[in-house]
Amino acid sequence: EAQVTQNPRYLITVTGKKLTVTCSQNMNHEYMSWYRQDPGLGLRQIYYSMNVEVTDKGDVPEGYKVSRKEKRNFPLILESPSPNQTSLYFCASSRRTAQETQYFGPGTRLLVL
Amino acid sequence: GQSLEQPSEVTAVEGAIVQINCTYQTSGFYGLSWYQQHDGGAPTFLSYNALDGLEETGRFSSFLSRSDSYGYLLLQELQMKDSASYFCAVRDHQAGTALIFGKGTTLSVSS
Repeated sequence: EAQVTQNPRYLITVTGKKLTVTCSQNMNHEYMSWYRQDPGLGLRQIYYSMNVEVTDKGDVPEGYKVSRKEKRNFPLILESPSPNQTSLYFCASSRRTAQETQYFGPGTRLLVL
Repeated sequence: GQSLEQPSEVTAVEGAIVQINCTYQTSGFYGLSWYQQHDGGAPTFLSYNALDGLEETGRFSSFLSRSDSYGYLLLQELQMKDSASYFCAVRDHQAGTALIFGKGTTLSVSS
């Protein structure tokens, strides 16, 4: 089954404790992206990747890191999480570009205390 | 910069037709997409318009007017399951290959 998976689905952590949210797709997609969703603000893009070893900042990259060492995986790293990073995070992928159909993962709810 | 405007809420009854508008401001333009998101779920792709005109997919249609920087999503024969949030999104040339989403329109369908 074609899908985007994210782990963990729910996470409670404390300020400053490094964490990684994994994202994996099995569709051989080149484009992958991370979004955060906050009430009243819609989906805002954090980082995206056009292909392996190619990443770029989206709208709200501060406080986040990403890597794309393999085509299928695109982990999101929070080196020192802060409470303002409490949010719902979605990973997405598409065949080549942002405007093609993006397939979203199920989301990761993060609470930073 | 870029911005998208869409109504925050729309209500309708089952069987009705509803139109969700989206106006955008971008320095370049590559097309307008629409996504649906049920409460707590992942967004799912509905449609994409790169050229002016109407694209129809079953009960849903999407329209684009590039000269007016305007588009809309038309939902016909509304069903309770259509209650969800709907987001328009654009890829802005200045934003590289990033995709910019509107803040979403919450559609409530009642019986």
